[in-house]
Amino acid sequence: NAGVMQNPRHLVRRRGQEARLRCSPMKGHSHVYWYRQLPEEGLKFMVYLQKENIIDESGMPKERFSAEFPKEGPSILRIQQVVRGDSAAYFCASSLTSQGASGNTIYFGEGSWLTVV
Amino acid sequence: GIQVEQSPPDLILQEGANSTLRCNFSDSVNNLQWFHQNPWGQLINLFYIPSGTKQNGRLSATTVATERYSLLYISSSQTTDSGVYFCAVGDAGGTSYGKLTFGQGTILTVHP
Repeated sequence: NAGVMQNPRHLVRRRGQEARLRCSPMKGHSHVYWYRQLPEEGLKFMVYLQKENIIDESGMPKERFSAEFPKEGPSILRIQQVVRGDSAAYFCASSLTSQGASGNTIYFGEGSWLTVV
Repeated sequence: GIQVEQSPPDLILQEGANSTLRCNFSDSVNNLQWFHQNPWGQLINLFYIPSGTKQNGRLSATTVATERYSLLYISSSQTTDSGVYFCAVGDAGGTSYGKLTFGQGTILTVHP
């Protein structure tokens, strides 16, 4: 009964390169969320996706960041032309539904730590 | 948007002591979860508790939704309880109960 799987766990990129973070939700979950934890800050919501659809991207930076959740395969958070300020922990979470019922917890992955040098 | 405040910001305990962490939120919620972020950065689900009371071993939590607060109780603390405790809520008017607003956390240090 695998949980939310994220990879890579650690990623180092030089300024200007692209970073791709992957997230496989829990089995049977079709709702995926990405969060970012910047140094010395709390976790902030970035984007909420269902299969092939972006539902809410109100927390995504306007430029360089994109997310997808294709019909097949993991969800991808893509950061183009990374800058030092993108260094952070990126967490993915998944849920069974969009509405809490019968104690449907949101499950978080172990995070991907991006370091931009 | 919804505001989440946690207190205290820092807490230092001796092993075996009990503690209470508080989470206040500013609006109606459809989700409230407590997490423990361990020193390795992993986020561990403790409770899904938008209302009511739950217990799991030495930990218990209570949410009084009508008064917009939740409490996390840690009894007989151990050094492995050290880390940051986050409260996170889902706005009842939001797109999904998985869209969480996190508090700033309580940093707990338990000394042997």
